[in-house]
Amino acid sequence: LAKTTQPISMDSYEGQEVNITCSHNNIATNDYITWYQQFPSQGPRFIIQGYKTKVTNEVASLFIPADRKSSTLSLPRVSLSDTAVYYCLVGPLMGGYQKVTFGIGTKLQVIP
Amino acid sequence: GAGVSQSPSNKVTEKGKDVELRCDPISGHTALYWYRQSLGQGLEFLIYFQGNSAPDKSGLPSDRFSAERTGGSVSTLTIQRTQQEDSAVYLCASSLAVWGNEQFFGPGTRLTVL
Repeated sequence: LAKTTQPISMDSYEGQEVNITCSHNNIATNDYITWYQQFPSQGPRFIIQGYKTKVTNEVASLFIPADRKSSTLSLPRVSLSDTAVYYCLVGPLMGGYQKVTFGIGTKLQVIP
Repeated sequence: GAGVSQSPSNKVTEKGKDVELRCDPISGHTALYWYRQSLGQGLEFLIYFQGNSAPDKSGLPSDRFSAERTGGSVSTLTIQRTQQEDSAVYLCASSLAVWGNEQFFGPGTRLTVL
């Protein structure tokens, strides 16, 4: 079971790019990296998922180095509404399931 | 419905009472998950269903916790003889298949045990 490590909290000003890095040193060959966002009093919601190199969607980018032992979620030009907790998860897409703990995530506070 | 729904949204109960929490997943989603989130903490995985079967129940914190799923749809999480440490938000999620696919979360049930 791949364990992940993220910073507990981060602050950023509006309009800046925010990069949140997650360490997963014992990631397995068939593991994917998934990021979720959680606003207060809501369930988490999926942001982005990747296996290697770079993935980009309308919300964020995900950078994964060749060794896959870490990943970086990049949020371009954050706004106050991006204030949330961001979780990094590692696990397989197929072939069963694994007991998953989201951890405490990274609490991002966007400052005006 | 369009999304995952949970009921009740809030539940206050007395210590020692039993509670039932309900989850209605997105139609067609075969996988269903229960998580628990205590104040200021991350999500703790409780149990996972593939169809009506729960391959592994070891995430349940004690034998006071049980869950079932019927018809491959609605799931009920039951907590017997509730304790104050059971107070948390209980979140349900569903996905098209196994874990790695995008999970869609419900709004949660906030349980308070007095």
